[in-house]
Amino acid sequence: DQQVKQNSPSLSVQEGRISILNCDYTNSMFDYFLWYKKYPAEGPTFLISISSIKDKNEDGRFTVFLNKSAKHLSLHIVPSQPGDSAVYFCAVSTDKLIFGTGTRLQVFP
Amino acid sequence: NAGVTQTPKFRILKIGQSMTLQCTQDMNHNYMYWYRQDPGMGLKLIYYSVGAGITDKGEVPNGYNVSRSTTEDFPLRLELAAPSQTSVYFCASSYNQGAYEQYFGPGTRLTVT
Repeated sequence: DQQVKQNSPSLSVQEGRISILNCDYTNSMFDYFLWYKKYPAEGPTFLISISSIKDKNEDGRFTVFLNKSAKHLSLHIVPSQPGDSAVYFCAVSTDKLIFGTGTRLQVFP
Repeated sequence: NAGVTQTPKFRILKIGQSMTLQCTQDMNHNYMYWYRQDPGMGLKLIYYSVGAGITDKGEVPNGYNVSRSTTEDFPLRLELAAPSQTSVYFCASSYNQGAYEQYFGPGTRLTVT
């Protein structure tokens, strides 16, 4: 039973536009969420996180939004750049990280 | 700092063979983890360690063993390799548990035929 779901396996966005990646979770007790980015043949790297006491966290072009009532978080990338093309994983933190299945983002010129 | 290093990068094993995947971190992190990633899937936790001498099972430990004799090293042992263990394996470390970000190695791509 998947506790963290990324229902879109892939997303294609034009350079300069907004990319929105979505993630749903099942347990309302989860209180810390992270996004990781993964390039081919590399390990995941931490991108941005958010605590449940906030509903938004911003870092440059990346913003994560948390909707606790819907048990939903999203990652916005504005403006999208070709170098953002990668697989993005959301994860929830308990005593361990529980990862979603990932969304492959392709940013085309 | 090299961060988290893993060797080998690639390996092909025959069914029934054994091998050890090496993982080393130079960040003095207490916590270390082994994950596997199958195609189209997220990362599944195999084993983790909260410090030298202490290890515990994750979500998918069957067919694997670990040890943690030093803070820096966390090798993963595969005994009697099976095709179901074909995967990409990632080692990670973190300063603390849970809410803190984990730092990942580049991965080992293992094929069992």
